[in-house]
Amino acid sequence: AQSVAQPEDQVNVAEGNPLTVKCTYSVSGNPYLFWYVQYPNRGLQFLLKYITGDNLVKGSYGFEAEFNKSQTSFHLKKPSALVSDSALYFCAVRDALIYGGSQGNLIFGKGTKLSVKP
Amino acid sequence: KAGVTQTPRYLIKTRGQQVTLSCSPISGHRSVSWYQQTPGQGLQFLFEYFSETQRNKGNFPGRFSGRQFSNSRSEMNVSTLELGDSALYLCASSLEGQSFEKLFFGSGTQLSVL
Repeated sequence: AQSVAQPEDQVNVAEGNPLTVKCTYSVSGNPYLFWYVQYPNRGLQFLLKYITGDNLVKGSYGFEAEFNKSQTSFHLKKPSALVSDSALYFCAVRDALIYGGSQGNLIFGKGTKLSVKP
Repeated sequence: KAGVTQTPRYLIKTRGQQVTLSCSPISGHRSVSWYQQTPGQGLQFLFEYFSETQRNKGNFPGRFSGRQFSNSRSEMNVSTLELGDSALYLCASSLEGQSFEKLFFGSGTQLSVL
């Protein structure tokens, strides 16, 4: 079975400081991993994904994430946080073995609320 | 290019009624997926359509159904509404419906069941 965990409901950082939003996953086969961001009263926006290759993935708005297979983690990071980064962040996983050819059943974490203070 | 469009934006219904939500994907996108978002359960996959065929279905009762038209527009229907169906319903599209593709989400339809 697929699952994804975001252990922190909320992360608070000061503007200009580095931020990390944690994500761990469980799949039977190889994982396809995604990060999405949701602003109030809006749908989700894609940030970045890991499919294969380089473990460090760079995405939109200066975000990056590191795939760690041994720790089954895919933490989201940014070197210097902005107040405008405040939003709800979702990690998601899909088992490539089961859903190799379709968009079936993307499993989302519960979300982490990021609050960046000036 | 216009993004994913969902209508209506807000909907209020009473228990026992039925409701139809509409989604227009990005032009050229062939796959449409539906998700339910609630504070308690988070985001849960409902179903995915590709070329007018349902390819995958989540763990929801048969009251939840959908379809996709030849122009890739999609509708989802919920019959015999229950209070627990109150949620934000999100539609997402992707170009070829491959599992490694990113999803483009609409702003959602906020359904309130009274």
